[in-house]
Amino acid sequence: DTAVSQTPKYLVTQMGNDKSIKCEQNLGHDTMYWYKQDSKKFLKIMFSYNNKELIINETVPNRFSPKSPDKAHLNLHINSLELGDSAVYFCASSQVIDGNTIYFGEGSWLTVV
Amino acid sequence: GENVEQHPSTLSVQEGDSAVIKCTYSDSASNYFPWYKQELGKRPQLIIDIRSNVGEKKDQRIAVTLNKTAKHFSLHITETQPEDSAVYFCAAFGGGSNYKLTFGKGTLLTVNP
Repeated sequence: DTAVSQTPKYLVTQMGNDKSIKCEQNLGHDTMYWYKQDSKKFLKIMFSYNNKELIINETVPNRFSPKSPDKAHLNLHINSLELGDSAVYFCASSQVIDGNTIYFGEGSWLTVV
Repeated sequence: GENVEQHPSTLSVQEGDSAVIKCTYSDSASNYFPWYKQELGKRPQLIIDIRSNVGEKKDQRIAVTLNKTAKHFSLHITETQPEDSAVYFCAAFGGGSNYKLTFGKGTLLTVNP
């Protein structure tokens, strides 16, 4: 009965490939996020969506494209993967956009070889 | 934008001792300050949070203090136990239209039995 679920959990792929990570939340939250955690454990926001509308788009390469088909889903597509994209990608959600607890998914471990 | 500094980056204590982690933030409009605990290979999980209209909050062995004037907040863990060993992240949520939770770089806490 996972609140924020993301798939796949582990992904090993070659440079230049395109891959997607899917995320779903069953909490009825309005806001969803993608965070990237690098090898130094630094958590950095990439995107946030509020009711399917893009709110935050940090300086992320254009190769990363989020898509929110509805407010319970936020997927992340990555084109032309590079070695530096290797990281853990966390999907998250919060009830509303304004200063609420953020609940994280279990993370997707992406390794680019 | 918001900048959150967190210290120390590593902290080692004996079981039963107290642990203190400190954070400073730059945006005086920030109004929500959560703390997350991340065990190895797991997702970050909220352990306590405080809003800008409160100076201190306590939950069993965990307490957080906030000094708005100085723009710093701290996490206090008393009677530490080995299961408290994890990476702890402070974060600040920007006020106004800055709908972004900015994380500190994390503190690796090790509680030695």
